[in-house]
Amino acid sequence: KAGVTQTPRYLIKTRGQQVTLSCSPISGHRSVSWYQQTPGQGLQFLFEYFSETQRNKGNFPGRFSGRQFSNSRSEMNVSTLELGDSALYLCASSLAGTSGRASTDTQYFGPGTRLTVL
Amino acid sequence: AQSVAQPEDQVNVAEGNPLTVKCTYSVSGNPYLFWYVQYPNRGLQFLLKYITGDNLVKGSYGFEAEFNKSQTSFHLKKPSALVSDSALYFCAVRDIGNTDKLIFGTGTRLQVFP
Repeated sequence: KAGVTQTPRYLIKTRGQQVTLSCSPISGHRSVSWYQQTPGQGLQFLFEYFSETQRNKGNFPGRFSGRQFSNSRSEMNVSTLELGDSALYLCASSLAGTSGRASTDTQYFGPGTRLTVL
Repeated sequence: AQSVAQPEDQVNVAEGNPLTVKCTYSVSGNPYLFWYVQYPNRGLQFLLKYITGDNLVKGSYGFEAEFNKSQTSFHLKKPSALVSDSALYFCAVRDIGNTDKLIFGTGTRLQVFP
C-alpha cells in the first residue's frame, strides 16, 4: 500500500505570494492532519480534516487554510507569505480521525514539503 | 492541558551499546503515547505506540518503549544501537478529551558512533 504523498517536495516563494500544498493520504484513510516544523518552534499542529470537514485547528493565523476533497486528498494554502513561514510542512493521515476510539489511531506522515520564503 | 517533555536535546551512544531516549508526559486522563523517528530531509516514521495493556511495547527496527505510570514516563529503548539509528526522535501524546491533537515533544537527536 502506498504511503502518504506530498507535492511539491520543495518550493521557493517570495514574501507576499501565496502557496498551495497538496497531500494524498494512504488509501482508505479519511483523516488528514497538517503540521509545521521549524527549528525554533518544533512540530506545531495546523489543522485536521475528516470527511471534508475541518475538525481541529491549531493556533495559526487565518492566512493558513485548508480543505479536503471527497477522495480524502487535502490541500493547504498559505496566503501573503512571510519569511517566518519558511518551514517543513508535514501531512499525516489516519484511518478514522481523532474522536473516541479513533483517538488511538496511528498517524502516518508524508515526506513533507520544504517551503522557503525569500 | 496535556504535554510531553524530552529532557535531552542529544543522546550519544556507541554502536552495540544499549540506548535510551527519555520522555515524560502530563495528562489528565489515560495517556495515548507515540514515538516517531525522523531521518534527514524526511517525514516522521511511526515506531510504536502505547494505548493500553502491557507496559513494554515493541515497535519497528528493534525499538521498544516502557510505559511507567507512576513516573509518567515512556522511554524509548533499544538493546544494541546501530549507526543507522542516528536520527531525530519525537515522543508524542494525544490530547484526549480536549482537542484530540497530537502534541509532540521537542525531539531528541540520537547520535550513534561507530
